[in-house]
Amino acid sequence: SAVISQKPSRDICQRGTSLTIQCQVDSQVTMMFWYRQQPGQSLTLIATANQGSEATYESGFVIDKFPISRPNLTFSTLTVSNMSPEDSSIYLCSVGQGRWETQYFGPGTRLLVL
Amino acid sequence: EDQVTQSPEALRLQEGESSSLNCSYTVSGLRGLFWYRQDPGKGPEFLFTLYSAGEEKEKERLKATLTKKESFLHITAPKPEDSATYLCAVQGIKAAGNKLTFGGGTRVLVKP
Repeated sequence: SAVISQKPSRDICQRGTSLTIQCQVDSQVTMMFWYRQQPGQSLTLIATANQGSEATYESGFVIDKFPISRPNLTFSTLTVSNMSPEDSSIYLCSVGQGRWETQYFGPGTRLLVL
Repeated sequence: EDQVTQSPEALRLQEGESSSLNCSYTVSGLRGLFWYRQDPGKGPEFLFTLYSAGEEKEKERLKATLTKKESFLHITAPKPEDSATYLCAVQGIKAAGNKLTFGGGTRVLVKP
């Protein structure tokens, strides 16, 4: 399976600021996914990012709040814009590989907004 | 809309005490059902994929089974290192972009 890294691993931010999270994969993948995991909750898909096309956002998530870039087949970024304390979560990227695009996850970015 | 419900929410076991976790799902055509393990502060770790009713997969003390409505994750003679949150997810054949729908997870604590 792919080896996935995320930067930063954690951060503490002030409300109103923005944070860009990076996701790097050690092999080329078509599909990359961004999830949010709020404290004590399960995973919620934010958007799907395919190289060369606009990201597809799930209901309740908008591009102005969570802009995503996918410049190549091994890298993606998610920006959390104009943050509020409600954005405090773990943000996870995943990639699809193999039969039926089994998803493998990165280690996550733990974000605390004060 | 695909839905996944996991039970129980939490499970406390003594070392060696076998048990099962349940994942009930509703999907308009199942492409795959996935089990993940998540340790605190880490990303989910892939365990199994099940594709059709009757299928079983095993890995060490874990065994996953699948019916048309639910999946079970059996933990045989668990050890403290099996303590984690276990997540179930489904991918429907109509899921746009290979989307996964996750259940709420089962937190398992195995005491020595």
